[in-house]
Amino acid sequence: DTAVSQTPKYLVTQMGNDKSIKCEQNLGHDTMYWYKQDSKKFLKIMFSYNNKELIINETVPNRFSPKSPDKAHLNLHINSLELGDSAVYFCASSQDNRARGELFFGEGSRLTVL
Amino acid sequence: DAKTTQPTSMDCAEGRAANLPCNHSTISGNEYVYWYRQIHSQGPQYIIHGLKNNETNEMASLIITEDRKSSTLILPHATLRDTAVYYCIVRVGGSGSARQLTFGSGTQLTVLP
Repeated sequence: DTAVSQTPKYLVTQMGNDKSIKCEQNLGHDTMYWYKQDSKKFLKIMFSYNNKELIINETVPNRFSPKSPDKAHLNLHINSLELGDSAVYFCASSQDNRARGELFFGEGSRLTVL
Repeated sequence: DAKTTQPTSMDCAEGRAANLPCNHSTISGNEYVYWYRQIHSQGPQYIIHGLKNNETNEMASLIITEDRKSSTLILPHATLRDTAVYYCIVRVGGSGSARQLTFGSGTQLTVLP
């Protein structure tokens, strides 16, 4: 079983649409993240949830809204998509009380906005 | 968090050791050095981390200089599958250390046949 799984893997949509990316982890971790990797390959954190509570919220437009229904899931909903939202979005998880600082990443969801 | 400096790219012959350097001259006493890699089209993968002692695991070795201002990640016998972008990250350790790991531009390692 994949430890951190994201769906869909590819998403092509028109400007102005609303879309969601789902993430699930089966590692029993208590913290989950969304990262964005743009065309220049820089990987930036967007959000982090610990036990369903938002703990990191970087400067991200309000059109992006994460939702964590439980510890094992962190979904990302994006409203009114813009061309600049085209990127690969990675979900990740970690166990917060472990000192290893080890993040487990999903395979990524490539979003293309036309 | 301390800033890191890595070469943009490196080549290595298959079967030889790949030595990837990282400078972190402003590292603080409680900051660890973490290494991740990202193989094309995949999510980043944790490799190793250390504070001041050299570390080794099944993937790699991490050599940290005595003054902790630089480190080297060593892949002892590089294979074509080790071709990836390697990220050196400095971060405070302990509980919650995985939070806000900041990924720079990394080193593109290309293993040549």
